Amino acid sequence: NAGVMQNPRHLVRRRGQEARLRCSPMKGHSHVYWYRQLPEEGLKFMVYLQKENIIDESGMPKERFSAEFPKEGPSILRIQQVVRGDSAAYFCASSRGGGKNTEAFFGQGTRLTVV
Amino acid sequence: ELKVEQNPLFLSMQEGKNYTIYCNYSTTSDRLYWYRQDPGKSLESLFVLLSNGAVKQEGRLMASLDTKARLSTLHITAAVHDLSATYFCAVDMTGTYKYIFGTGTRLKVLA
Repeated sequence: NAGVMQNPRHLVRRRGQEARLRCSPMKGHSHVYWYRQLPEEGLKFMVYLQKENIIDESGMPKERFSAEFPKEGPSILRIQQVVRGDSAAYFCASSRGGGKNTEAFFGQGTRLTVV
Repeated sequence: ELKVEQNPLFLSMQEGKNYTIYCNYSTTSDRLYWYRQDPGKSLESLFVLLSNGAVKQEGRLMASLDTKARLSTLHITAAVHDLSATYFCAVDMTGTYKYIFGTGTRLKVLA
């Protein structure tokens, strides 16, 4: 049973370009969470999605960031017009359910560098 | 707003020594997690603590949870170089799915 798969592992973008980060949850998991880790900091919650629904996006920046989890395929975190401050590690986690007593499992992360 | 604080932020210790990392959180929570992160790597789950008084041990690491004090500890016994990493605690608020992470403790074990 493969774990949470994220790709790419490393992504370099020039300022103003778009970044697309992909996350395939563990088999049997229908809940996906995205977290961002800035250098030397802990992870910060960004968004929680179920299939075709955004449940909580309270941690998402108001502009340029969007997330989706379509019926088929991976969850996508999209960052438009990237700036240097977007450079970070972006981690995806998935869980079987979305309530309490449901542990989330983390992927390897995508390290985004904006040059 | 739930806050999670760890201390110390940096810890340099000699091999063979013991030390404790502390994780305080500000509101009620059902569960507390400890993770290890090596540089440039993902999070490795170490412990999931589910109730007051829970104690778990794996090798040289032992974690405990006191929900009344809102405190968890990660105790390191007879440290070895391989334990060098950053350790995070994380809490999920009662009834929610969000993990709130501590700032991390960067541990360096000197040979």
